[in-house]
Order: sequence, then C-alpha cells, then structure tokens
Amino acid sequence: EIVLTQSPDTLSLSPGERATLSCRASQTINNFLAWYQHKPGQPPRLLIYDGSDRATGVPARFSGSGSGTDFTLTISSLEPEDFAVYYCQQRDNWPWTFGQGTRVGIK
Amino acid sequence: EVQLVESGGGLVKPGGSLRLSCAASGFIFSTYTMNWVRQVPGKGLEWVASISPSSTHIFYTDSVKGRFTISRDNAKNSLSLQMNSLTSQDTAVYHCVREEDLWGQGILVTVSS
Repeated sequence: EIVLTQSPDTLSLSPGERATLSCRASQTINNFLAWYQHKPGQPPRLLIYDGSDRATGVPARFSGSGSGTDFTLTISSLEPEDFAVYYCQQRDNWPWTFGQGTRVGIK
Repeated sequence: EVQLVESGGGLVKPGGSLRLSCAASGFIFSTYTMNWVRQVPGKGLEWVASISPSSTHIFYTDSVKGRFTISRDNAKNSLSLQMNSLTSQDTAVYHCVREEDLWGQGILVTVSS
C-alpha cells in the first residue's frame, strides 16, 4: 500500500497569504495524484487531478505540482473560503490511498 | 442535474448487515468507474471499494475484503455496497464517488449495540 504523508498537519495563515501544502508518497507514483478541499458538512471537492490539472470551476489561485514521490498544492493568495482541510490522494496503485490531511486555519 | 444520492444507512448491531445504494443522475453512468469512500467522524478519508464501468474490475481495501461487496446496475444508474459482518470500525459516513470528481453528500452508518 502506498502511504501518503502530508505536511504540515496544520497551517495557520491570514487571508491574502500564500499556502504551500506538501504530500510525499512512500514510493514513486505516476502523477496520478489528486488534491481535495474538505469543509465540515460537505463532501470533499476535487481541486487538482493528475498532479497539476485543475478540476472544472476551480479558481486559478490553486495549483498543483510535483512528480515522483513529492507533490505540492499551492494556494497563491488565501481567500476566506479557502480555510478548510486539504487531502492528497493517489490512484496509481490499488488500494487508492489518502494522506492524513492538512488543516489550513485562520491566523 | 449531475448528482449522486446515497441511501440505506443507519444504525446496525455488530455482526449485522446493511446495504447502501447510490442513485446517479445527469451523466452517462455506464461509462464511469464508481467508488465508495468512507470517513470516520473526525478522522481522515478511506477508499473502500471500486468497480469499473462494466464490472470487470473490482477492488476492495483490505479491511473490508470478504465482508463488503460492491456492485452496479448500469440499466438503473445505481451503485450498491453490501456490507456484512459489520464492526464498530465500520462506523463512518459513506460517500458514493464518480471517478474522483463527483461525490455524493454521504450517508452515516453506525455500528453499535
């Protein structure tokens, strides 16, 4: 099973600041990596798929990058609605697995 | 409207069974891999099971193998998850998920005596 480790666990930032979230895989994955935003009471929302492709309707301030075992989600300038938990997920090998999540909170 | 709606959740005793259903609408259901993903309240996400468009390929996470069965009826645009021998560790909100991009709201399954 591929283990995904996200860092940091928590990020405390102010609106307008840049957020950089990391996801490290226990073995090389072929860019089949997705990022989700999750808010309480809602289902997760797909932001990025295949490492760097933005899902439909996702603002340009969200970007994904990386390859091999190291991937990054960047939010260029935080909006109030961006404070949430973010998960990475791989679908390179079954079982598909998620990282433990990074909480982006208001400073 | 493109949506997935889960049903069939609830309270069940340890060792019991439950069948979850997911009704799909607004897209060509038969062309998509469908999945069940769960989240224990306050915890992270876990991919439970996956089924290919023609049911040729089916995968389960280890913790549910032999107990859970995923199936689909493309004629009825529906996905199911039969859950047997339930334990408290199966208590979670279960989401029906199309590929990666469309999630149902989720339905709570509580296993408790």
